[in-house]
Amino acid sequence: QSALTQPPSASGSPGQSVTISCTGTSSDVGGYNYVSWYQQHPGKAPKLMIYEVNKRPSGVPDRFSGSKSGNAASLTVSGLQAEDEADYYCTSYAGNNNWVFGGGTKLAVL
Amino acid sequence: QVQLVESGGGVVQPGRSLRLSCAASGFTFSSHAMHWVRQAPGKGLEWVAQIWYDGSNKYYADSVKGRITISRDNSQGTLYLQMNSLRADDTAVYYCARDGQQLARYSFDIWGQGTMVTVSS
Repeated sequence: QSALTQPPSASGSPGQSVTISCTGTSSDVGGYNYVSWYQQHPGKAPKLMIYEVNKRPSGVPDRFSGSKSGNAASLTVSGLQAEDEADYYCTSYAGNNNWVFGGGTKLAVL
Repeated sequence: QVQLVESGGGVVQPGRSLRLSCAASGFTFSSHAMHWVRQAPGKGLEWVAQIWYDGSNKYYADSVKGRITISRDNSQGTLYLQMNSLRADDTAVYYCARDGQQLARYSFDIWGQGTMVTVSS
């Protein structure tokens, strides 16, 4: 199973919006509405930010939103804040009790 | 509070074995499927294995199949990862993660802090 494709980096100024893409295939992203996104600060464990494409766990700010079209999913962070600077990973269920991750995107808040 | 705490990592020679543990607390461990996810130094996340809530089914990434075994002891609230025939490319931080199940299906909603495994001679 190949990894999902994410841009290695993204950036934005405080208050702006930034969108991170995550491209897969019809066997993973396109085949299931089970894309999730994780935030990881340096040296820390990942944190679930979005699940089932566009749902937010309790406690995650509504500045974070997710969407999907075909074989591509995206995470949008609106109203960027300094604490949003982190690595972001997408993952998708790929069937047969298999999961595939993206390579990660380093988000910089300029 | 809901917590996962991994242990058992360390430096091990190629070809040797290591067993990782993950102690769960703050939730009903026996009701949740669990996963192991790893992250090589400076690299992205990689799903490794899943075990059902009762241990009845286990699934593995192709990269570890045949060398790694996931198991659990629900009476102790502990998840395990037995790693055999270790290779240099198994070097990574290993995280245990709770399956989101009905609340966050097919996602990993709680993560431990990770334990580092270094395979080196």
